[in-house]
Amino acid sequence: GAGVSQTPSNKVTEKGKYVELRCDPISGHTALYWYRQSLGQGPEFLIYFQGTGAADDSGLPNDRFFAVRPEGSVSTLKIQRTERGDSAVYLCASSLNGGSSYNEQFFGPGTRLTVL
Amino acid sequence: GNSVTQMEGPVTLSEEAFLTINCTYTATGYPSLFWYVQYPGEGLQLLLKATKADDKGSNKGFEATYRKETTSFHLEKGSVQVSDSAVYFCALRGTNAGKSTFGDGTTLTVKP
Repeated sequence: GAGVSQTPSNKVTEKGKYVELRCDPISGHTALYWYRQSLGQGPEFLIYFQGTGAADDSGLPNDRFFAVRPEGSVSTLKIQRTERGDSAVYLCASSLNGGSSYNEQFFGPGTRLTVL
Repeated sequence: GNSVTQMEGPVTLSEEAFLTINCTYTATGYPSLFWYVQYPGEGLQLLLKATKADDKGSNKGFEATYRKETTSFHLEKGSVQVSDSAVYFCALRGTNAGKSTFGDGTTLTVKP
């Protein structure tokens, strides 16, 4: 079956612009996660949804970052007033539910964001 | 908070050599531990996991044992292949699951 998909695969923008990154989780997965991976580092947690609500948004670095999941499926990560330091690969993952580590997280291919 | 420390790379081995990649962690409670692999041009894939102390996770010839006394989860393989060349990430999830905390990754290159 289809895995986690993310669009676009690459996004180049200018400093100060607004961007939206989309994640389509595996069908039936109620938990969805966003991570950010900078070059040479491991993924860093941003936010986790259980259904439509954000169960943990402790990783969002500041109020320029916002994410939604209005129908409990597709999620959009929104970044306002982008800065060069936002350049990274943004990863999305989903799992059957978030309440048990027995439920594997499946990762998408990521969106590479470059802020010029 | 939770943290994961991985052996720094890159690691370069000859085919059929023995592999160890060290991983230690700091966490409250009883986390679950994972190794993920990222092959060139591909996304993160779960390699193996262990959910409680003394559990051994294994897959594709790789093994790791959850050692609570040393807070470690070292990855091993007895005989590596060129196709094992990839970046390996150690990670943990807390007792309430939710987010994962990752190490910085170790790049492995296996030469024929």
